[in-house]
Amino acid sequence: DAKTTQPTSMDCAEGRAANLPCNHSTISGNEYVYWYRQIHSQGPQYIIHGLKNNETNEMASLIITEDRKSSTLILPHATLRDTAVYYCIVRIYGQNFVFGPGTRLSVLP
Amino acid sequence: DAMVIQNPRYQVTQFGKPVTLSCSQTLNHNVMYWYQQKSSQAPKLLFHYYDKDFNNEADTPDNFQSRRPNTSFCFLDIRSPGLGDAAMYLCATSSATFSSYEQYFGPGTRLTVT
Repeated sequence: DAKTTQPTSMDCAEGRAANLPCNHSTISGNEYVYWYRQIHSQGPQYIIHGLKNNETNEMASLIITEDRKSSTLILPHATLRDTAVYYCIVRIYGQNFVFGPGTRLSVLP
Repeated sequence: DAMVIQNPRYQVTQFGKPVTLSCSQTLNHNVMYWYQQKSSQAPKLLFHYYDKDFNNEADTPDNFQSRRPNTSFCFLDIRSPGLGDAAMYLCATSSATFSSYEQYFGPGTRLTVT
């Protein structure tokens, strides 16, 4: 079973930052937080992952709370092409990726 | 570009008629996965290969089988498709069992059962 809870859906205006929350209150010390997204009719795509520290790459930023019970994925300047289902996954080394229902993000013009 | 390729993108089969979906990769990854994704649901892992070692998920029906003849190719066989097997089937690869932070997914094959 997925170990995360996410909003079912969110809207974001084009050009604005999209902030997608994820709760993982039962996360253990050696579990990483991963984010993937799935654009309609495509396979999922890796975005970013982290353990404790905040992370940033060319796609997004990941903010993890100090107690690690929640995190936020930030798309700094959302475009229409960022419309997708975003999956937050917690995973320990050696385990499967278990996808939950995710958040359906709609970027509006 | 290195990638994961799935053919065909759309497959129609009849109820009970065996069907095979194929996946190939140019990434030279040693792990290949098959996921099933039903409409409006999240992807669900069916099984994976670490090199030639096959690992089946406990709740994967016996109706689903897989073959990996070499590093580059992996096949999903559905022996007797039922209407409930209509779904998107996703192939993915990674460079090592679960230790890699990234899985590379193909575009999927959408299976229709008539």
